[in-house]
Amino acid sequence: GAGVSQSPRYKVAKRGQDVALRCDPISGHVSLFWYQQALGQGPEFLTYFQNEAQLDKSGLPSDRFFAERPEGSVSTLKIQRTQQEDSAVYLCASSSGTAGQSYEQYFGPGTRLTVT
Amino acid sequence: AQTVTQSQPEMSVQEAETVTLSCTYDTSESDYYLFWYKQPPSRQMILVIRQEAYKQQNATENRFSVNFQKAAKSFSLKISDSQLGDAAMYFCAYRIIQGAQKLVFGQGTRLTINP
Repeated sequence: GAGVSQSPRYKVAKRGQDVALRCDPISGHVSLFWYQQALGQGPEFLTYFQNEAQLDKSGLPSDRFFAERPEGSVSTLKIQRTQQEDSAVYLCASSSGTAGQSYEQYFGPGTRLTVT
Repeated sequence: AQTVTQSQPEMSVQEAETVTLSCTYDTSESDYYLFWYKQPPSRQMILVIRQEAYKQQNATENRFSVNFQKAAKSFSLKISDSQLGDAAMYFCAYRIIQGAQKLVFGQGTRLTINP
């Protein structure tokens, strides 16, 4: 497809379950970002990849959150032992540029995670 | 740390009228980008307009324009001739030019267009 895709679009998990959220960036995009958007709030940065290298994970809220991009394209955000406070929309974005370049981040539709 | 503040949780405007959304930010950097993103109810975030801090001229994109006041750290968005399709959440965002790639977002302003 032409845009960033994410799956699943909706996920309901029971507290304590592990979840995996997938992001397919625009083909050829070097940079990939994950953001967390709580209800009624602006997105907050979680982590950043340049190709397969995770260059910034300063936004991951705890060691229960883990992200990977092993081949420099598709990325997975994994949340272990989910808690109610993890309920949010998880947005993925990709861009063709890297540091210092003026470029646009293209966002996917998001995965809405509800932890019950 | 950089912060972005949008002080208007909700705004409404009559169709065809003009509306201005406010944004202020705090940074010690001299070079950075500022953005306005639109998020319709479908949740796909779309870039509306971008401003480079080193440019004095305010950016414009068709009906969308900004008023960038660097000294005041203010970055407002003006929407002219408002259309029903402009209804959405609008987020102001900031990014430094070198180093960290992340966008820092404000809390958002929900814009309603009244027919």
